[in-house]
Amino acid sequence: EDQVTQSPEALRLQEGESSSLNCSYTVSGLRGLFWYRQDPGKGPEFLFTLYSAGEEKEKERLKATLTKKESFLHITAPKPEDSATYLCAVHKNTGFQKLVFGTGTRLLVSP
Amino acid sequence: NAGVTQTPKFQVLKTGQSMTLQCAQDMNHEYMSWYRQDPGMGLRLIHYSVGAGITDQGEVPNGYNVSRSTTEDFPLRLLSAAPSQTSVYFCASSHPGGSETQYFGPGTRLLVL
Repeated sequence: EDQVTQSPEALRLQEGESSSLNCSYTVSGLRGLFWYRQDPGKGPEFLFTLYSAGEEKEKERLKATLTKKESFLHITAPKPEDSATYLCAVHKNTGFQKLVFGTGTRLLVSP
Repeated sequence: NAGVTQTPKFQVLKTGQSMTLQCAQDMNHEYMSWYRQDPGMGLRLIHYSVGAGITDQGEVPNGYNVSRSTTEDFPLRLLSAAPSQTSVYFCASSHPGGSETQYFGPGTRLLVL
């Protein structure tokens, strides 16, 4: 069965304290892995798409990497405004983009 | 562009009542979908559409109905609401093909008493 597991469930960091979020997946025929950011009471906001093992993408303080079994979202020198829930989703190799989501990592960055 | 819009933002229903959650997008996306988000669970796909007149079931379709008469709109209908349908509902849209990015709306929070 297709599965996406994110860890940790929650993470508390001090401003400037770098860390990584993990997304491990088991899915046949991966076509893409997505990272989204979700603020309380809002819809998910797209961050990155990764397509193949070894791929990396960066945006400001965020860097996403992909292996054959997992993806990491590295946060370098985070700021309080990076506080949010980060969602990982995989797109199966089907005609429609049926995304399978993880339950997310709640990140809180304290000043 | 407004992107993906959803109405209402919040709704309270009594068990057995019906309602329609509205979703519209102005990006000329062919693909649209509905998800529900519950505490401790990932977003789950309810129904999706690959174009006007074409819809199909997702992971959790029971109790929901959809239709797609235009490219822009994709309403979700609850015919007889149940407390188990208390959730936050998100609509998303994307271009077809490959792993195109799905863009999400702001959500509708639904409480069924």
